[in-house]
Amino acid sequence: DTGVSQDPRHKITKRGQNVTFRCDPISEHNRLYWYRQTLGQGPEFLTYFQNEAQLEKSRLLSDRFSAERPKGSFSTLEIQRTEQGDSAMYLCASSHIAGVGQGEQFFGPGTRLTVL
Amino acid sequence: AQSVSQHNHHVILSEAASLELGCNYSYGGTVNLFWYVQYPGQHLQLLLKYFSGDPLVKGIKGFEAEFIKSKFSFNLRKPSVQWSDTAEYFCAVIPYSGAGSYQLTFGKGTKLSVIP
Repeated sequence: DTGVSQDPRHKITKRGQNVTFRCDPISEHNRLYWYRQTLGQGPEFLTYFQNEAQLEKSRLLSDRFSAERPKGSFSTLEIQRTEQGDSAMYLCASSHIAGVGQGEQFFGPGTRLTVL
Repeated sequence: AQSVSQHNHHVILSEAASLELGCNYSYGGTVNLFWYVQYPGQHLQLLLKYFSGDPLVKGIKGFEAEFIKSKFSFNLRKPSVQWSDTAEYFCAVIPYSGAGSYQLTFGKGTKLSVIP
C-alpha cells in the first residue's frame, strides 16, 4: 500500500503524559499536513510542512504541541503534558505541489488519542 | 478566513432515492472545492473536486457536484443511492492562492444512512 500511513492507530494515555505520533506521507509528496478531528466536527487544520520547513501553524496548536519533519520525509507530532481536551483523531495528509493551484490532499487513517 | 457550512447533519434515505447534500462556503477569492467521504471504519477519501472549467463535476461511484459561484455553493448529488453509500460526507474548500492556500477548511459533515 503506497498511501499515507500513521502510527499508532490508537493511543490511550493518562493526563500529563507526553505522546508522539508518526506520519509517513506518500513518497513523492512534498507537502505534509496535520489536522485534528473531534466528534461531530470536520477536520481542523493544525500545521503544514513543505519539504522539511514548517510553514504555518494554526492557533489551535498550543505550545504543548510540536511537529517536525526531518529530511522532508516522515513527520512526528508530539503533545506534551496531555490534557483531556486533547482527545481527538489526529489526521495526517500529504500532497504534491508542482506549481500554482492546490493539489489534492490524501489522508491517512488517523491516530485516535484518548486522554484519561 | 474561509468557512464551510453543510446544511444537513444527518440524512436518512431508502435505497434508490435521490440524494442532494448542501454545501456553502464563505471566501472572497477563487477557491478549489472538494467533497470527501468517510466510510465506516475507513479514512477520508476524495469523492470529487472542482478546480476550474465545467462547474458540473463528476466523481467516483456516480456522484456529481455543481459549483454555483454566485451562490457560493457546491452541492453534492447522486440520482440513486445504494446501501453502500452509507458514510459521512465532508465538503471542503481551499483558497487557490495567497493566505491560507495550504489548508483545507471542512464543513462539519453530513452523515448519510441508506436503508435497504
